[in-house]
Amino acid sequence: AQSVTQLGSHVSVSEGALVLLRCNYSSSVPPYLFWYVQYPNQGLQLLLKYTSAATLVKGINGFEAEFKKSETSFHLTKPSAHMSDAAEYFCAVTNSGGYQKVTFGTGTKLQVIP
Amino acid sequence: DADVTQTPRNRITKTGKRIMLECSQTKGHDRMYWYRQDPGLGLRLIYYSFDVKDINKGEISDGYSVSRQAQAKFSLSLESAIPNQTALYFCATSDRGLPENTGELFFGEGSRLTVL
Repeated sequence: AQSVTQLGSHVSVSEGALVLLRCNYSSSVPPYLFWYVQYPNQGLQLLLKYTSAATLVKGINGFEAEFKKSETSFHLTKPSAHMSDAAEYFCAVTNSGGYQKVTFGTGTKLQVIP
Repeated sequence: DADVTQTPRNRITKTGKRIMLECSQTKGHDRMYWYRQDPGLGLRLIYYSFDVKDINKGEISDGYSVSRQAQAKFSLSLESAIPNQTALYFCATSDRGLPENTGELFFGEGSRLTVL
């Protein structure tokens, strides 16, 4: 069984401040991990993914995430928030194999304050 | 044009009505999915299909049915809609993937359904 926990359903940061969105996972096998972003009235799009290569993964729009096996975490960070980063962010987990069932976290809404 | 297209984008209906949400894709992917999004609950899988002859229930399939008419088309039906099916519905696709299938999903823009 696999699961994802996102701490904080709402996060507010000031423009220019560090963005840190937390994600912890549970998986019985080595996981693949994803961060998706959903802008208002849009579908989800991939920000970045971890697939057992480098543990520090860089994504679009200046975001990155670090896979920490010992902490079962995959936190999303961005050094300096921009107004355009306001969106909902979803962490997701799956695993290697013939079928990947993707399990999503409950999402974190990021508010960027001018 | 979007790679994954959902129709309708918005629909208001009444309790007991039959509703169909349609999804078509031009990505050439063999795998298609229907998810439901509710505030605070994230995305939950309703049905998934690995090819035209393969249909599988997800975690919340009760009250829903699907049809995979072709590799590129996957429809979701609510036979008799009820108010707690009011939600945002997403179609997604993924590739079988070689040499590695990571399960990355590609989403449509969503269909907002309101059942009165």
